[in-house]
Amino acid sequence: EVQLVEFGGDLVQPGGSLRLSCAASGFTFSSYAMSWVRQAPGKGLEWVSVVSGLGGNTNYADSVKGRFTISRDNSKNTLFLQMNSLRAEDTALYYCAKSAETAGLRGDAFDIWGQGTMVTVSS
Amino acid sequence: DIQMTQSPSSLSASVGDRVTITCQASQDISKCLNWYQQKPGKAPKVLIYDASNLQTGVPSRFSGSGSGTNFTLTISSLQPEDIATYYCQQYDNLPVTFGQGTKLEIK
Repeated sequence: EVQLVEFGGDLVQPGGSLRLSCAASGFTFSSYAMSWVRQAPGKGLEWVSVVSGLGGNTNYADSVKGRFTISRDNSKNTLFLQMNSLRAEDTALYYCAKSAETAGLRGDAFDIWGQGTMVTVSS
Repeated sequence: DIQMTQSPSSLSASVGDRVTITCQASQDISKCLNWYQQKPGKAPKVLIYDASNLQTGVPSRFSGSGSGTNFTLTISSLQPEDIATYYCQQYDNLPVTFGQGTKLEIK
């Protein structure tokens, strides 16, 4: 079964750091770009970041550029999001999502989503 | 960044009704447009990709059309299980951007 499972969400103070992970199974992980998409409570979807299939190329939303780092370990079928200098506005449910067709950064549909992991930034 | 504007923001319709949701891009995105359905407490699910292609397993009552800047998602006969929020998403340019969502309710 094709599956994505996120974990690592937590309550963290403003200025703090957190590392999210997403474990993939059921498909050839390295063949697809992977993204993080977040959803603040009661709000819409916001794309955060993408990493290419082999991990060499990345891209970020302006709202997180310089604070978040996306990476992947293809030997462990795992996607990561290192989140530093966290702000209240980063509070959201963070989803990992698989690109439907492409390994590159060219945009695509997200055909598989995890269940999300909640990040709350508050003092 | 490309802005995606959906309308309406919310919609109430009866079972069996034909429902149409529109999405407008701030610039030409060709057919680089996907539609997602998100039910409460669940992750989004892709319904339509490349503006008009039905994702495998999605009921045929869902259809998409459009190109350039104007796109439409149509549900030909609304079913109770279609209650959800619907989002369009462009992927012509990074950053990928989503519409603000259309919340669909049963009248």
